[in-house]
Formats: sequence, C-alpha cells, structure tokens
Amino acid sequence: NAGVTQTPKFQVLKTGQSMTLQCAQDMNHNSMYWYRQDPGMGLRLIYYSASEGTTDKGEVPNGYNVSRLNKREFSLRLESAAPSQTSVYFCASSLRGGGGGNQPQHFGDGTRLSIL
Amino acid sequence: GEDVEQSLFLSVREGDSSVINCTYTDSSSTYLYWYKQEPGAGLQLLTYIFSNMDMKQDQRLTVLLNKKDKHLSLRIADTQTGDSAIYFCAEASYNQGGKLIFGQGTELSVKP
Repeated sequence: NAGVTQTPKFQVLKTGQSMTLQCAQDMNHNSMYWYRQDPGMGLRLIYYSASEGTTDKGEVPNGYNVSRLNKREFSLRLESAAPSQTSVYFCASSLRGGGGGNQPQHFGDGTRLSIL
Repeated sequence: GEDVEQSLFLSVREGDSSVINCTYTDSSSTYLYWYKQEPGAGLQLLTYIFSNMDMKQDQRLTVLLNKKDKHLSLRIADTQTGDSAIYFCAEASYNQGGKLIFGQGTELSVKP
C-alpha cells in the first residue's frame, strides 16, 4: 500500500545549495503535483504535470524546476536554495486532472526542508 | 484570483459535534473536498461533494453545501480525541483547469 512516496523526509540545506526532492506513485495515476505548505497559508501549488511528458507552472513556481521522469516519478529541484524556500513540500497524484470526485488527489507524507 | 477561506482554530469537548466552515469565491467550482492532516503526515481525503448536491453524509461526517452563498461546512458528530487534526477545505475549479485550491486549514482541538 505504498501510494505516494516522497524522499527524503527531512533535509537541511545551506543557502545556495541545490537539491532534488523525489516523488513516486504506484497507482498508475496520470497527473502529479508539487505543493508547499507554510503556516497559515494552506497548500500552494508549485508545479503540476497533467500527464507524462507535460509540466505546467502553478501558483508559486519561482525558484523551482520539475521533471516528469516517467509516469510514476515527478521530481522537484531547487537550483539555488533560499531561506524563503524553507517549507514542507508535498507531492500528490490523481488519476487525471480535473479534480473529479471519484479521482481525488492522493498525498505523500511530505519533505520537511530547512534552508539556513 | 480565486480564494478559499477557513477559520484557523476550533476547540470542542469530546462527544460534542464539531462544525468547520469554509467559504469560496469561484462560481465554477465542480467538486469541493475535505482533507484531514494529522501531525507530521500528509493530507488524507475525508469526503467530497459535487457542486450540484447540497448535502452528503458519511458515517459521522456530514457535508453541507450552500452554492448560492458559496459556503461549505463539515460536521463531525460525536467528536473524539482522534479527530484532533488540521482540516482543509479545497475546491476544484473549472476556471483553473480543475486544479485544487486549498483553504488555510482549521486546526481542530478536542478536549477530553
């Protein structure tokens, strides 16, 4: 019952370092999403991939890049980390976009990222 | 842009009913969702309602939708300490290509 798996669970970076957050799903879902969660602000969409081979910007894409490596995997890269990117990052997937009630988004457990 | 608003905190006693409220602005919303987040975990889908419905009941959970006022509520009957968590309201907006827009989350505290 893996669902959506995110690695790593925790990470501390120094300003200017780069890193890639990994996400994989085993539910044969077409759409995948990256969100960040900050206190009092809910979840904000960074990037999403409606299907394999496509990616699009969400609400807060600046400072991030993504790669939809294959149908299962969707990675998020911080090229030059900044303290403002300290957050909890969630990956999610759904059978397809559109938010249909019978195809909700399923979430991973998150990556807690601190940038000093 | 489109917006979803929730109050940030709610405190109830064990055994009471909890009502968590949410308002949204997008009239093109198709589905509205309630997610639960326990400490250190991801979001777990609790229930959802299609925009042409006005009520949905699922065991202890009742969702009410007032489409005219763009108001959504989640009622938890017989609230237990295990219900303590953050509850997020989210809408799937037709105008936003179906992407989910989340509220800030309501932290429910259940006191014994």
